[in-house]
Amino acid sequence: NAGVTQTPKFQVLKTGQSMTLQCAQDMNHEYMSWYRQDPGMGLRLIHYSVGAGITDQGEVPNGYNVSRSTTEDFPLRLLSAAPSQTSVYFCATISGPSGTEAFFGQGTRLTVV
Amino acid sequence: GESVGLHLPTLSVQEGDNSIINCAYSNSASDYFIWYKQESGKGPQFIIDIRSNMDKRQGQRVTVLLNKTVKHLSLQIAATQPGDSAVYFCAERERTALIFGKGTTLSVSS
Repeated sequence: NAGVTQTPKFQVLKTGQSMTLQCAQDMNHEYMSWYRQDPGMGLRLIHYSVGAGITDQGEVPNGYNVSRSTTEDFPLRLLSAAPSQTSVYFCATISGPSGTEAFFGQGTRLTVV
Repeated sequence: GESVGLHLPTLSVQEGDNSIINCAYSNSASDYFIWYKQESGKGPQFIIDIRSNMDKRQGQRVTVLLNKTVKHLSLQIAATQPGDSAVYFCAERERTALIFGKGTTLSVSS
């Protein structure tokens, strides 16, 4: 089992470019989330999903889109990258309504220049 | 504002000491509170959780205490080891997602 797989691990973008961060899980978990981690700010929730076809906004959703067409995949799209989106991005899964243990991917380090 | 936060950004202890990491929260509706450990270059890992109707839960070398009166959560690590050096986050479960605090960096010197 791979668990939670994020790609790419590193990415450099120019301001205004768009890209998609990929997240795939093989644990058949219902819940998936995207977080960004900045120095001194902890992890902040961007978007989350409780199942295929259902997504919702978290604490810092502006500038990001998500979709959940399958249980396994939860891509995060940056529509027009800005330097303020330079961060480390983590995807996480939780088994379902009774779960508290989140399983995280290895992270994607994104730099916007 | 932030609903989950930690009192101190850094904590330094000697190997073998007991460590106490604190967290204050503001959302009384959360049903679970959870502690995570993040080592350098990795994603956070689950340590222990506590349901909101409990005040204490013990794991292997760790104890979590919940004081709902003052909205305070703490993680106690017994006999701290160098391998415990990491950033520790408290989190609360708000129905379907986890909200994290800012984290405390624990440094263990031998």
